[in-house]
Amino acid sequence: AQSVTQPDIHITVSEGASLELRCNYSYGATPYLFWYVQSPGQGLQLLLKYFSGDTLVQGIKGFEAEFKRSQSSFNLRKPSVHWSDAAEYFCAVGEGGTASKLTFGTGTRLQVTL
Amino acid sequence: GAVVSQHPSRVICKSGTSVKIECRSLDFQATTMFWYRQFPKQSLMLMATSNEGSKATYEQGVEKDKFLINHASLTLSTLTVASAHPEDSSFYICSARDPDRGNTEAFFGQGTRLTVV
Repeated sequence: AQSVTQPDIHITVSEGASLELRCNYSYGATPYLFWYVQSPGQGLQLLLKYFSGDTLVQGIKGFEAEFKRSQSSFNLRKPSVHWSDAAEYFCAVGEGGTASKLTFGTGTRLQVTL
Repeated sequence: GAVVSQHPSRVICKSGTSVKIECRSLDFQATTMFWYRQFPKQSLMLMATSNEGSKATYEQGVEKDKFLINHASLTLSTLTVASAHPEDSSFYICSARDPDRGNTEAFFGQGTRLTVV
């Protein structure tokens, strides 16, 4: 069965600092990987996704993620964090190589200090 | 882009009553929708797959008689929490796949915060 691990429950960074959120997955074949952001009490917004091709994926709001098969990782990065980036971030893998049924990690709560 | 709308966004009900949550695809037809549940400060767990015109497929451990899913049209799936109890209080969120966009993205509704008192 597929699984997703987000080792960091809570991360605090200063505004303007760089950010890296970790995600490790377990999946037998080439995974469909996603990063979503959730603001308090809100739904999910897709930041970026990876299916194949270039392992460095660019997303919205200045985020990027790099797929590393050898490490089973799909870490999310941003060079300079803004206060509005404070939210919950979820990594997810699509079942059966699809984007339909998603298995989510436990999430990382990002706090941004001014 | 593809838009999924959930209604209501927030509902408070008395213990023992039933609550219906709607999930609509506004600008596309969705033969399949998915219902997730999110406990406070936890991740989203898939509850069931809603298939238009057929029975829903429930994940292990999800009570079919408690969480009734109806996908009567290509744009609407409903989740009814039957005889709700305080332990059913949670954030429920649906997603749908747009067939015209391939199977490359799931579009999520805004979620419904259910509080059972």
